[in-house]
Amino acid sequence: SQELEQSPQSLIVQEGKNLTINCTSSKTLYGLYWYKQKYGEGLIFLMMLQKGGEEKSHEKITAKLDEKKQQSSLHITASQPSHAGIYLCGAPSRTAGNKLTFGGGTRVLVKP
Amino acid sequence: NAGVTQTPKFQVLKTGQSMTLQCAQDMNHEYMSWYRQDPGMGLRLIHYSVGAGITDQGEVPNGYNVSRSTTEDFPLRLLSAAPSQTSVYFCASSYSGPTYEQYFGPGTRLTVT
Repeated sequence: SQELEQSPQSLIVQEGKNLTINCTSSKTLYGLYWYKQKYGEGLIFLMMLQKGGEEKSHEKITAKLDEKKQQSSLHITASQPSHAGIYLCGAPSRTAGNKLTFGGGTRVLVKP
Repeated sequence: NAGVTQTPKFQVLKTGQSMTLQCAQDMNHEYMSWYRQDPGMGLRLIHYSVGAGITDQGEVPNGYNVSRSTTEDFPLRLLSAAPSQTSVYFCASSYSGPTYEQYFGPGTRLTVT
């Protein structure tokens, strides 16, 4: 079965600084989804990457998919307190498209 | 639209008790799913449904039952609660599968003593 490993597991960043989260898959990626979870709440969809080399941005968050490395990265520029939360990556299986596997999550704390 | 709603928000059960976690969505989504979230383990899929009358097992289905009699509702039943089922449970829905944006409910925090 596919496994997704996220790094780091947690990080503390000073407000205004940049941060990067990585998501590495044990198998070929056929799409990658990023979600954010505020503490004690449900997940909110951030963005979806479907093709190798694809890069998407929304406000100050940029995600890239490196198909060859079986990896995706999420980069936040000039972090703000609103960026605090848990970021999770998810990927579908080639053989079981109705199932999404999630990584363990990266906990982000932004210090003012 | 209310989106995805879950009840209850908190629940404490004793070992061996049964209960049903409720999930409803008002977006006419075909795909609904149940996940559990445990510290350091991300989200794990319990069961999912691709439409009314159709359900299938996810990654960790043992000890849980589901049914989908309507498009809107997807309840999760714990048959005989065990301490290992202490977790936060999330219900989600999407237009036509997990490769579409999934909308998550606020979660149910369950403790089994």
